[in-house]
Amino acid sequence: GAVVSQHPSRVICKSGTSVKIECRSLDFQATTMFWYRQFPKQSLMLMATSNEGSKATYEQGVEKDKFLINHASLTLSTLTVTSAHPEDSSFYICSAKQALYEQYFGPGTRLTVT
Amino acid sequence: GQQLNQSPQSMFIQEGEDVSMNCTSSSIFNTWLWYKQEPGEGPVLLIALYKAGELTSNGRLTAQFGITRKDSFLNISASIPSDVGIYFCAGRNNDMRFGAGTRLTVKP
Repeated sequence: GAVVSQHPSRVICKSGTSVKIECRSLDFQATTMFWYRQFPKQSLMLMATSNEGSKATYEQGVEKDKFLINHASLTLSTLTVTSAHPEDSSFYICSAKQALYEQYFGPGTRLTVT
Repeated sequence: GQQLNQSPQSMFIQEGEDVSMNCTSSSIFNTWLWYKQEPGEGPVLLIALYKAGELTSNGRLTAQFGITRKDSFLNISASIPSDVGIYFCAGRNNDMRFGAGTRLTVKP
């Protein structure tokens, strides 16, 4: 199947700093990328959907100024958590989709804000 | 809304036993999918179902898209220890919604 990578896999940052997470589709061009957030023992919650070259569409309740998403190319999307706080600590997972095909998920990024 | 109800929440079974889990919704979905997630990893697609009534197998896994388009089930036959993980159903129309997951533990 298609391969999606995320970097970093784990990051610890101090409260008030910003953190950037990268999501790459390694062997296909992703017309759409998705960002999810997952709390321990909970399901995946969609945060936003981004199409290459367009502004991301955020789900209700997700602050677009706090979670900046850039989908600059067909193989790369980035999520920047700005002014992170401890409550932003979570497992962030991206997925990538090519046209008529299914979504493939990245391995996730564990963010801990101290 | 498009909320999915997945059950059971968790299962503890003996190796070799069969497993069944299901997902229901008050809304109709055009596609049902089943994913498996292992600790610290992203979900991996197991089976995708595109047509009401469709029954699809992937090795020891079998899933069905309910006739009403409001439900789906996943069966795992002859479970093995590596089946351990969290299984998520997902329903999709324009976007995808996930169930809460079924945590499977297999005792050797």
